[in-house]
Amino acid sequence: TQLLEQSPQFLSIQEGENLTVYCNSSSVFSSLQWYRQEPGEGPVLLVTVVTGGEVKKLKRLTFQFGDARKDSSLHITAAQPGDTGLYLCAGVDSGGYQKVTFGTGTKLQVIP
Amino acid sequence: GAGVSQSPSNKVTEKGKDVELRCDPISGHTALYWYRQSLGQGLEFLIYFQGNSAPDKSGLPSDRFSAERTGGSVSTLTIQRTQQEDSAVYLCASSLARDRAAFFGQGTRLTVV
Repeated sequence: TQLLEQSPQFLSIQEGENLTVYCNSSSVFSSLQWYRQEPGEGPVLLVTVVTGGEVKKLKRLTFQFGDARKDSSLHITAAQPGDTGLYLCAGVDSGGYQKVTFGTGTKLQVIP
Repeated sequence: GAGVSQSPSNKVTEKGKDVELRCDPISGHTALYWYRQSLGQGLEFLIYFQGNSAPDKSGLPSDRFSAERTGGSVSTLTIQRTQQEDSAVYLCASSLARDRAAFFGQGTRLTVV
């Protein structure tokens, strides 16, 4: 069974602070996705990283895929209240079945 | 359809009753997932359908849970003899292919009283 552990589980910070969320596994994935979920909605894809060591930037969000394709991080610079939500990483199976496994989630609250 | 559609959006049922939850995926998406989510928590994998392959049922918590996908499109998740611990939001997602985004429905909020 592939497991993706996220840390921290909960994070409450002031507006303007920086933060990093980690996603770790012992399994290798073909790609790693990050989603954000707001209350009452389904998760929405933010980014997909495919290559080991890849770094992608989306405005104030920076995503990195580990060299071994087992882990990933999400860094947010100067957090805004609109960043509040549940952040989920998801690994795509490196085998032929292409199953997506979701992480345990990080609940972020940005206080104005 | 334009997105993943789930019905009903809310379901309140009495303990011991059976319930059926429906998911209409995005047309043409070969992969379909069911997840369960408790309030503010992460996603608990239930079952995965990929094309004509045998489904991955490894996440179903008990034999009271079953799911089928007819014609490679619509899926139904059935929970028999519901228990209070089954109360959660049940999310369905579909995906076109490897490395593609999973598009989620808004979920069915199930409350067992």
